[in-house]
Amino acid sequence: SYELTQPPSVSVSPGQTARITCSGDALPKQYAYWYQQKPGQAPFLVIYKDSERPSGIPERFSGSSSGTTVTLTISGVQAEDEADYYCQSADSSATSWVFGGGTKLTVL
Amino acid sequence: EVQLVQSGAEVKKPGESLNISCKGSGYTFSNYWIGWVRQMPGKGLEWMGITYPSDSETRYSPSFQGQVTISADKSISTAYLQWNSLKASDTAMYFCARANYYDSFFEYWGQGSLVTVSS
Repeated sequence: SYELTQPPSVSVSPGQTARITCSGDALPKQYAYWYQQKPGQAPFLVIYKDSERPSGIPERFSGSSSGTTVTLTISGVQAEDEADYYCQSADSSATSWVFGGGTKLTVL
Repeated sequence: EVQLVQSGAEVKKPGESLNISCKGSGYTFSNYWIGWVRQMPGKGLEWMGITYPSDSETRYSPSFQGQVTISADKSISTAYLQWNSLKASDTAMYFCARANYYDSFFEYWGQGSLVTVSS
């Protein structure tokens, strides 16, 4: 079955830039999406179609794509950005969707 | 405003059946796919499947095919996730979410329903 691979954890100090990667063989063909999840809350979409930002999402959140890897970048990280982040995409035929394993962002 | 409101927490015994629900409002329910996502305790998100309320077409993750039933009743704008015989390993938080089918992602999420299966 199709898999997306994320690092389990990323740590940065406030004001620095956090980069979270997500790798998958079908990413050149399928868009990637990023969700933020804070403890006890439902996930929340922060990036769609690789690099688009929904209304209301701060500009410090951005996304990019290169080959089989997509990256969520958070510039000028704030304490409130500490959360789990999940990438999500579909397999090459778009019949099955999949989430990455999630990355815990810690703001030191 | 799009809202998805899920049913409350459930505590069940192994072997029992269960139906949890997700009521949509603020949009035309039958026009959008709606799906379910599992999150086991301390673990990540898992895509279970999606259904189209207008014609009941349903797609399942291979991991959940045959284990659960996803359905929707467009007359009352409600989606369901059903188990016929629960196992302890079904203990998890379950989220419903409105899907953008053509771009393959979830736009709006419910608050989650906690299912605990224990003897």
